[in-house]
Amino acid sequence: DTEVTQTPKHLVMGMTNKKSLKCEQHMGHRAMYWYKQKAKKPPELMFVYSYEKLSINESVPSRFSPECPNSSLLNLHLHALQPEDSALYLCASSQIRAGDTEAFFGQGTRLTVV
Amino acid sequence: QKEVEQNSGPLSVPEGAIASLNCTYSDRVSQSFFWYRQYSGKSPELIMSIYSNGDKEDGRFTAQLNKASQYVSLLIRDSQPSDSATYLCAVRGSNYQLIWGAGTKLIIKP
Repeated sequence: DTEVTQTPKHLVMGMTNKKSLKCEQHMGHRAMYWYKQKAKKPPELMFVYSYEKLSINESVPSRFSPECPNSSLLNLHLHALQPEDSALYLCASSQIRAGDTEAFFGQGTRLTVV
Repeated sequence: QKEVEQNSGPLSVPEGAIASLNCTYSDRVSQSFFWYRQYSGKSPELIMSIYSNGDKEDGRFTAQLNKASQYVSLLIRDSQPSDSATYLCAVRGSNYQLIWGAGTKLIIKP
């Protein structure tokens, strides 16, 4: 099973709203990622968690707040977003060992900020 | 700056022919290489991973890695219209992050 599940699939939110994106995997992967993807561009790394600890924050604005409650779950809390934050938000997970670092993506959350 | 380069295309290939997608990378110490397929509006789907020099075959897909020349390629045999998508090359960097190419748009013409 190589499934990463993201909810919701679509989200429309106002600039004053607070919402959360959720991601779950049961593959025993110890690295989990949030990516942002704009149309016709490759995914852009936002955050990396390894062993439930934040290991990379790619200078993401504080209106995006990640959380890793346990090894299977990853959340992204959204607050006071801007219209330019509208994008496809992707969660991924992978193992952390040489020769076995394939990353699997969830189906994504299509976020529209109005 | 570690980089991954791909021709953005579009690459147009007749149905039934071999599609050849190429990718070069700048970091000589890279060890893990991946090809993802992405349909419009969908998330990337892992097609192939390759870790050592040479060829790796999986069905109609063959990944080729040449570390000395720092390139990795993906061959798709007997191309089908359903193979039409954007193909993203990714290289594993430090701290488990993936370094992405810009993607090649592949069009299979019936």
